[in-house]
Amino acid sequence: GENVEQHPSTLSVQEGDSAVIKCTYSDSASNYFPWYKQELGKGPQLIIDIRSNVGEKKDQRIAVTLNKTAKHFSLHITETQPEDSAVYFCAASIGNTPLVFGKGTRLSVIA
Amino acid sequence: EAGVAQSPRYKIIEKRQSVAFWCNPISGHATLYWYQQILGQGPKLLIQFQNNGVVDDSQLPKDRFSAERLKGVDSTLKIQPAKLEDSAVYLCASSLPQGPPLHFGNGTRLTVT
Repeated sequence: GENVEQHPSTLSVQEGDSAVIKCTYSDSASNYFPWYKQELGKGPQLIIDIRSNVGEKKDQRIAVTLNKTAKHFSLHITETQPEDSAVYFCAASIGNTPLVFGKGTRLSVIA
Repeated sequence: EAGVAQSPRYKIIEKRQSVAFWCNPISGHATLYWYQQILGQGPKLLIQFQNNGVVDDSQLPKDRFSAERLKGVDSTLKIQPAKLEDSAVYLCASSLPQGPPLHFGNGTRLTVT
């Protein structure tokens, strides 16, 4: 089955700097790659997603890039703010199969 | 639109006791998922429903876990008897019939003592 690896497990950045989180997946048939943000005591919230027919997608300060050949995708957050501090999860799936998640990255934005 | 509703928010039980969790998905979402999230890890699928039928329960520990989705809307997840290692957050998610994105509820935090 699919396996998703996520790095780093923790990341600290200064406010205003950029943050990058990377994930690799094992199943080349995977075609959907979402990123979720999880705050303390809450469920994961979708922040951006990308499908395999697109190489990059942006939404304001957040972008995701996908390299299908290398089977990896990355989340980029620019101009980080303290409210970006949370745990971020990547995931992958094929069609309507359930999402397989990475282990998460705890991002701390230091003011 | 209203989000995925889950209850209770917290539950503390002793090992070998039973517990049940409830989920109400977003209106119109035919697909419902239960995920288990152990502290410090990503969510792991337990079971997926399409309407009131089970699509994938390959990772559900069927000797102690059961789930149902009567009438294709609300769902309940039960653990009987609970073990210490069942301590986790149980997340419910839903999606449209054609697939993702998945929308998650805030989960039920279970502590087994």
